[in-house]
Amino acid sequence: NAGVTQTPKFQVLKTGQSMTLQCAQDMNHEYMSWYRQDPGMGLRLIHYSVGAGITDQGEVPNGYNVSRSTTEDFPLRLLSAAPSQTSVYFCASSSGSRFSNEQFFGPGTRLTVL
Amino acid sequence: QQQVKQSPQSLIVQKGGIPIINCAYENTAFDYFPWYQQFPGKGPALLIAIRPDVSEKKEGRFTISFNKSAKQFSLHIMDSQPGDSATYFCAARKDNFNKFYFGSGTKLNVKP
Repeated sequence: NAGVTQTPKFQVLKTGQSMTLQCAQDMNHEYMSWYRQDPGMGLRLIHYSVGAGITDQGEVPNGYNVSRSTTEDFPLRLLSAAPSQTSVYFCASSSGSRFSNEQFFGPGTRLTVL
Repeated sequence: QQQVKQSPQSLIVQKGGIPIINCAYENTAFDYFPWYQQFPGKGPALLIAIRPDVSEKKEGRFTISFNKSAKQFSLHIMDSQPGDSATYFCAARKDNFNKFYFGSGTKLNVKP
């Protein structure tokens, strides 16, 4: 199993550009989430999904869109990049079981917006 | 408003010492409290977790202490090693929709 994979690893954008961060998991997990990690702020939930076709907003959703057409994939779209979106982005998945709550994280995408 | 408050921001201990990292929360709906370990350039990885009906959990050198009435929990690392140098995050989960809230992180440096 590859676990949770993210692409790209690094990305530089100019203000106003759009892009999609890719996330895939091969563990047949129902739950998937996107976080951003900023110094001194821990990880903050952007959007999450509890299954294909179901998504909802987290703590900091503004400027981001998500969709979940398959169990495996959960892409994050930046509609019009802003310098405030410079961050490290992590995708995570979990089975959603009450008795197995472990979230598995991808390696992250480091995004710089100029 | 941060749902989970973590301290200290950074911690330096000598090899063999017992670093303690503390977290506090307000929302009594949280039902699962994990700790994650993150090495530079990597994603966080689950270290140990506890449910609020238990006051302590040990896994190897790592122990979580949980005080439900005070709404606080802490991570203790026994006999710390230089390889434990990493950033540690506490988190709390709301049962509905599996939403996790993270603390701000503690950067631990264990000196040889």
